[in-house]
Amino acid sequence: AQSVTQLDSHVSVSEGTPVLLRCNYSSSYSPSLFWYVQHPNKGLQLLLKYTSAATLVKGINGFEAEFKKSETSFHLTKPSAHMSDAAEYFCVVSVLTGNQFYFGTGTSLTVIP
Amino acid sequence: DTGVSQDPRHKITKRGQNVTFRCDPISEHNRLYWYRQTLGQGPEFLTYFQNEAQLEKSRLLSDRFSAERPKGSFSTLEIQRTEQGDSAMYLCASSFLLAKNIQYFGAGTRLSVL
Repeated sequence: AQSVTQLDSHVSVSEGTPVLLRCNYSSSYSPSLFWYVQHPNKGLQLLLKYTSAATLVKGINGFEAEFKKSETSFHLTKPSAHMSDAAEYFCVVSVLTGNQFYFGTGTSLTVIP
Repeated sequence: DTGVSQDPRHKITKRGQNVTFRCDPISEHNRLYWYRQTLGQGPEFLTYFQNEAQLEKSRLLSDRFSAERPKGSFSTLEIQRTEQGDSAMYLCASSFLLAKNIQYFGAGTRLSVL
């Protein structure tokens, strides 16, 4: 069975400070892992993906995530938050067949000016 | 715009009415997915198509729900005899078979059942 736990429902950071959004996964098989961002009234946008290549994955807008199998984690980070980063972030796990995505419950990121 | 498009963006209906949503995937994508997202939750998988074949359905897809993709291009999701519990955002995504682990999402259709 596959599942994702996003450890924080809400994160608040000051502009220019680092961002850390935490995600733990459970998967019976080698997982593919993703982070998507959802801005209000916009579709889900892919930030980055891990599919069994390099464990440190770089995505768009300065975000990156590290796959740690021993910790079953895939935390999302950014060195310096920007106001435009304020949104809902979803961690997603999929298995090799990729037919289904399993979403976490989301983390709402607030960036304080 | 060459992304996934969904229509309508918002739908308000009365309990008991039927509603239909449309999704137009990215043109070369042969897989199409439907998800439902309720307030404060992540999207939940409903069903997916490969070309015109519906290959998987979630247990969330009750018999009041039906999805079609008749020509392997656009898809429709119909909800019959709507209930207040059907109020949610319905999301469509598409992917290319050879890159099937990456799904591209539309902006969704927000359904409100009064």
